[in-house]
Amino acid sequence: DAKTTQPNSMESNEEEPVHLPCNHSTISGTDYIHWYRQLPSQGPEYVIHGLTSNVNNRMASLAIAEDRKSSTLILHRATLRDAAVYYCILKEEGAQKLVFGQGTRLTINP
Amino acid sequence: NAGVMQNPRHLVRRRGQEARLRCSPVKGHSHVYWYRQLPEEGLKFMVYLQKENIIDESGMPKERFSAEFPKEGPSILRIQQVVRGDSAAYFCASSPYRENYGYTFGSGTRLTVV
Repeated sequence: DAKTTQPNSMESNEEEPVHLPCNHSTISGTDYIHWYRQLPSQGPEYVIHGLTSNVNNRMASLAIAEDRKSSTLILHRATLRDAAVYYCILKEEGAQKLVFGQGTRLTINP
Repeated sequence: NAGVMQNPRHLVRRRGQEARLRCSPVKGHSHVYWYRQLPEEGLKFMVYLQKENIIDESGMPKERFSAEFPKEGPSILRIQQVVRGDSAAYFCASSPYRENYGYTFGSGTRLTVV
């Protein structure tokens, strides 16, 4: 499985945008970029995924670099409920499982 | 539409006992995945099942652990003769098919071996 690199931790303030980076320089053409988050004492929660184009949904936006070697998860207006560990995962098309790394622990200050 | 249901939420077992963890996938989902999260560690894939079939068990310990997903009823992760090192959170996820789609995870079962 191709590897992703994320900062161990990030901190932001409530009601401000948050940009969570992810590097995946060995990404292959069939790898989708998935983001999940895990709130304290809960299971992971799907956030968003994309292949080449930027993606938006009600939770977040995903900005994918033109060479696909990096991506950024954007939370447009962070709330305290967004404090979680965010995982950037590469998943090959048709692959069966998600391979989680260590993720980024996001802290939101009131 | 209920999400993935796991029970029990918390399970305490003495060393040497059996632990049985249950997972009911989202209605209509035929693919189930089990993950384990040791304290202060990341999630590790254990096994991937479809109805009545184990598709990928590359993450399962070779001994004491087994999983099933019968035609009727929930998926079961069984741990025989538990040891302290089995203490962890066990998460189940389901998906409707193998193609790229967001997986739905349950809230997990927290197993404590005393």
